[in-house]
Amino acid sequence: DIQMTQSPSSLSASVGDRVTVTCRASQPISTYLNWYQQKSGKAPKLLIYAASALQSGVSSRFSGSGSGTDFTLTISTLQPEDFATYYCQQSYSTPPSFGQGTKLEI
Amino acid sequence: QLQLQESGPGLVKPSETLSLTCTVSGGSISSSSYYWGWIRQPPGQGLEWIGSMYNSANAYYNASLKSRVTISIDTPKNQFTLKLSSVTAADTAVYFCARRVRNAYNYKYFDYWGRGMLVTVSS
Repeated sequence: DIQMTQSPSSLSASVGDRVTVTCRASQPISTYLNWYQQKSGKAPKLLIYAASALQSGVSSRFSGSGSGTDFTLTISTLQPEDFATYYCQQSYSTPPSFGQGTKLEI
Repeated sequence: QLQLQESGPGLVKPSETLSLTCTVSGGSISSSSYYWGWIRQPPGQGLEWIGSMYNSANAYYNASLKSRVTISIDTPKNQFTLKLSSVTAADTAVYFCARRVRNAYNYKYFDYWGRGMLVTVSS
């Protein structure tokens, strides 16, 4: 199975900051990488698929990059509604596996 | 707008079978472009894929749960179900149903999710 490792596990930031979350795969996965946002008590929401494609309806302040084993999610200008937990997920092979999450806090 | 909704018992006894249903509205479950699956999240922890079903005939399960899991689709009712047998306290989690897209370039992602349902395993 492919292991996904995110860093940092938690991150403190302020409204207006630029924030980057990193995800590393245990083996190359091309660009088969998705990012989700999960707010407390809610279902995850798809933000980015195929490493850099913005899901319809998602704010353009979210962007993704990377290929192979190293990926990043960037939030350009933090808004109050962005404080949540972010997960990466690989879709290169079965089972689709998630990172452990990065909690973004004020 | 597609919607998914989980339903079933919120409390299951150890050694029994957990059974959940996901009802899909606003779209057809029989489309060949989608997988229908389950993901769970133990309290305070991360996400674990349980399994998915494609085309009402092809099921894919997480190897760590494969011996205990069955996913099935009821096309006329636009529902799919999860059965997890021989449960223990370790199976206590929020269970999400979700649609998984497989697009033209073979990228797959979970684009619609149910709200999730907490299932507690306890006597």
